[in-house]
Amino acid sequence: GAVVSQHPSWVICKSGTSVKIECRSLDFQATTMFWYRQFPKQSLMLMATSNEGSKATYEQGVEKDKFLINHASLTLSTLTVTSAHPEDSSFYICSAADVNTEAFFGQGTRLTVV
Amino acid sequence: GDSVTQMEGPVTLSEEAFLTINCTYTATGYPSLFWYVQYPGEGLQLLLKATKADDKGSNKGFEATYRKETTSFHLEKGSVQVSDSAVYFCALSDLGGAQKLVFGQGTRLTINP
Repeated sequence: GAVVSQHPSWVICKSGTSVKIECRSLDFQATTMFWYRQFPKQSLMLMATSNEGSKATYEQGVEKDKFLINHASLTLSTLTVTSAHPEDSSFYICSAADVNTEAFFGQGTRLTVV
Repeated sequence: GDSVTQMEGPVTLSEEAFLTINCTYTATGYPSLFWYVQYPGEGLQLLLKATKADDKGSNKGFEATYRKETTSFHLEKGSVQVSDSAVYFCALSDLGGAQKLVFGQGTRLTINP
C-alpha cells in the first residue's frame, strides 16, 4: 500500500509553546488528509479534514485556533498545536487519501506537554 | 451520530486459538465497515472491509461479515499466530470510501507461543 510518513514520532514540549506535526504522502498525491486524536484506551476521534489548497473543516468541539491545520501541497499537511497545555497531551494520527481511494495512515505522533 | 463499539481488551490467547473480537455499530444510513490493524510502532493498516449487508471481508485468515440485522461486524480468525499480536480497530464510513472514519476504541490482542 501507499506510504504516509508522520513526523515526529514523539515530542515533549513545555506548556505554552507550539508544536508542529507533519504528515507526508510519500508515493501518491493526497487530495484529502485527516487528523485524528486518540486518548489512552479510547478510540481515534476525527479532529479535522483538510483538502489541498483550502481551509480545513473541523469537527464539532475542536478549536480551530488551537489546532491549526495547513494543507499547502498534495503531499504535505501540518497540524500545529498552539500554546500547548498538558490536556493537549495525546496521540495524534494523520491519514491521507486521493480521490476515491482508501485513506492510508501515518504511524502517529505522541505529544507530551509538561 | 454514528458510533462503533468494540469488545474491551486486552485479549490474550495462545497460539492456534480461535479469535473473535466483537464489533457493533450505530449509523443512520448504510455505512461501509472496516477492520484496521496497528502493529507495534506502525500506522494503522486496512485489514478487511465490507460495503454492504451480508458481504464478507477476508484477509490474512481473518474474516468479518456485515450483519445488518444485528448491526455487527465481528472479526474472526480460526488459528491465531504470535505475529497477529497488535491492536485491532473496527470502523465505519458513511461516505462509501475508507476516508472519513468513525472508530471503535481498539482491542489489544496478544498471542502467546
